[in-house]
Amino acid sequence: EIVMTQSPATLSVSPGERATLSCRASQSVSSSLAWYQQKPGQAPRLLIYGASTRATGIPARFSGSGSGTEFTLTISSLQSEDFAVYYCQQYNNWPPWTFGQGTKVEIK
Amino acid sequence: EVQLVESGGGLVQPGRSLRLSCTASEFTFGDYGLSWVRQAPGKGLEWIGFIRSKVYGGTTEYAASVKGRFTITRDDSKSIAYLQMNSLKTEDTAMYYCARGIVEMATRYYFDYWGQGTLVTVSS
Repeated sequence: EIVMTQSPATLSVSPGERATLSCRASQSVSSSLAWYQQKPGQAPRLLIYGASTRATGIPARFSGSGSGTEFTLTISSLQSEDFAVYYCQQYNNWPPWTFGQGTKVEIK
Repeated sequence: EVQLVESGGGLVQPGRSLRLSCTASEFTFGDYGLSWVRQAPGKGLEWIGFIRSKVYGGTTEYAASVKGRFTITRDDSKSIAYLQMNSLKTEDTAMYYCARGIVEMATRYYFDYWGQGTLVTVSS
């Protein structure tokens, strides 16, 4: 089973600033990496798939990069609606599909 | 717009059974795989099961934590997927989401649309 590790657990950022979230896989997942955003009381929403492709309707301030075992989600200028928990997920070697433990982006 | 709606959650005693439904609309349900993902209160996301589309055999995969207790089926004529949960344990308490699987390069699936979830509480 591939273990996904996200860092940091919590990221405190001021509105308008850049946020950089990291995700590491215990073995290579090629580019089969997705990022999801989850707000309190809501379902996860797909942001990025294929490590760097934005899903339909996702603003350009969200970008993903990386391949193999190291991945990054960058939010270029945080808006109020971006404060949420973000999960990475690998879909290269399954089952099981595995998620990181999440990074909470909070207002500084 | 693509929609997935889960139903069937509730309070159930340990050892009992429950069946969840995931009703899809605004897309051709039979063309897609479907996953179930759960989230225990205050915790992260845990994938628990997947059913392929009939084109890919309609076969299923399960996480070790639920294998042998949970069963996923689908009725493409009704655009519904089911999660049959037997021998429930207190640790199965969670919000249960269904999510549509998008195939990439024939063998890899990510999940693009998710339902709003249905809460299952296992307690005596």
